[in-house]
Amino acid sequence: GNSVTQMEGPVTLSEEAFLTINCTYTATGYPSLFWYVQYPGEGLQLLLKATKADDKGSNKGFEATYRKETTSFHLEKGSVQVSDSAVYFCALPGLAGNKLTFGGGTRVLVKP
Amino acid sequence: NAGVTQTPKFRVLKTGQSMTLLCAQDMNHEYMYWYRQDPGMGLRLIHYSVGEGTTAKGEVPDGYNVSRLKKQNFLLGLESAAPSQTSVYFCASSYSPGGTNEKLFFGSGTQLSVL
Repeated sequence: GNSVTQMEGPVTLSEEAFLTINCTYTATGYPSLFWYVQYPGEGLQLLLKATKADDKGSNKGFEATYRKETTSFHLEKGSVQVSDSAVYFCALPGLAGNKLTFGGGTRVLVKP
Repeated sequence: NAGVTQTPKFRVLKTGQSMTLLCAQDMNHEYMYWYRQDPGMGLRLIHYSVGEGTTAKGEVPDGYNVSRLKKQNFLLGLESAAPSQTSVYFCASSYSPGGTNEKLFFGSGTQLSVL
């Protein structure tokens, strides 16, 4: 079935540093790809998505490009802030298309 | 605009006790889901529903039951709690199947400890 693998954390950074979180996927066809973010004490919320190959999703300074050649959807941000401290999840639809399958999550801690 | 509301937020059970987690959404969504979140394992789907009166098994359904008697509510039951069910439980809902076209809306979670 469809699955995603993302880098394990935690990732600890200083403010204004560059952030990359790797996500690779295995899928039949070219499903939409998603990044969700979970801030402390909250549920997940959609950060960005890409619906087809070569699409770039972006939001709140984060970007991710859907690359079918490398089956990847890496999340990047050029200059992180303390408020970006959260757990980030890569996700894609299951084969039946009726649910999302999430990666294991990557905890990011940004220090002042 | 409440979105997705989960109750309770915290609960401690003894092994063998039962309980029900309630999820309510006010967005008229057809699709609802229960996930559990465990360290290093991300979110795993327990059960889901594609509409009022329907339920289906997810990845890890054993030890849980669900009901969707009303469109806005999705209940998760533990008949005989086990320590392995200690987890954070999230409910989610969406307009489209699995949130594949539009986003999933999540509740704020229920922290359950089974002693």
